[in-house]
Amino acid sequence: GAGVSQTPSNKVTEKGKYVELRCDPISGHTALYWYRQSLGQGPEFLIYFQGTGAADDSGLPNDRFFAVRPEGSVSTLKIQRTERGDSAVYLCASSFRGDTGELFFGEGSRLTVL
Amino acid sequence: RKEVEQDPGPFNVPEGATVAFNCTYSNSASQSFFWYRQDCRKEPKLLMSVYSSGNEDGRFTAQLNRASQYISLLIRDSKLSDSATYLCVVNGNKLVFGAGTILRVKS
Repeated sequence: GAGVSQTPSNKVTEKGKYVELRCDPISGHTALYWYRQSLGQGPEFLIYFQGTGAADDSGLPNDRFFAVRPEGSVSTLKIQRTERGDSAVYLCASSFRGDTGELFFGEGSRLTVL
Repeated sequence: RKEVEQDPGPFNVPEGATVAFNCTYSNSASQSFFWYRQDCRKEPKLLMSVYSSGNEDGRFTAQLNRASQYISLLIRDSKLSDSATYLCVVNGNKLVFGAGTILRVKS
């Protein structure tokens, strides 16, 4: 498709389980961002990739969160030992380059941890 | 202090009104600034960039005051379809979003 694709769109899991969220950016976009958004809040920065490498991972809340982008295209956000506080919408965005402000967002993956 | 602060609103205005939102940022090294719009349960989308000289796009005007670390968005002749959350975004070494300002335009 032409836009940023995220799967799954909804994920319900139990506390303590492992979760993977996938993002397929727009073809040719070298920059990829992960944000998470809770109700009534703006998107909270998690991590930014330029190509295959994480240019800035300062937003990852703790070592339970990890993200990869092995071939510089698709990215996976991995959350270990999920907690109820991890419940949020996880948004992925891509841009042609990392130095512009025009991000194209996917529709998000809504994670609910019971 | 949050990196980007916005009044959450909601701003409830009648159709045709002029409404202004403000945003302050803490990182004086920030280099670029943007307004995004987010509809309910949808993803954010770029509304406009904010340039030092100020810029206008139809009914929307954005201004930047670097000295006061302040950004504004003015919407003239509000339409029902302008109802959304407006997110201020600041680019230092990463794009940081504010919590958003809710606008509700009523007929």
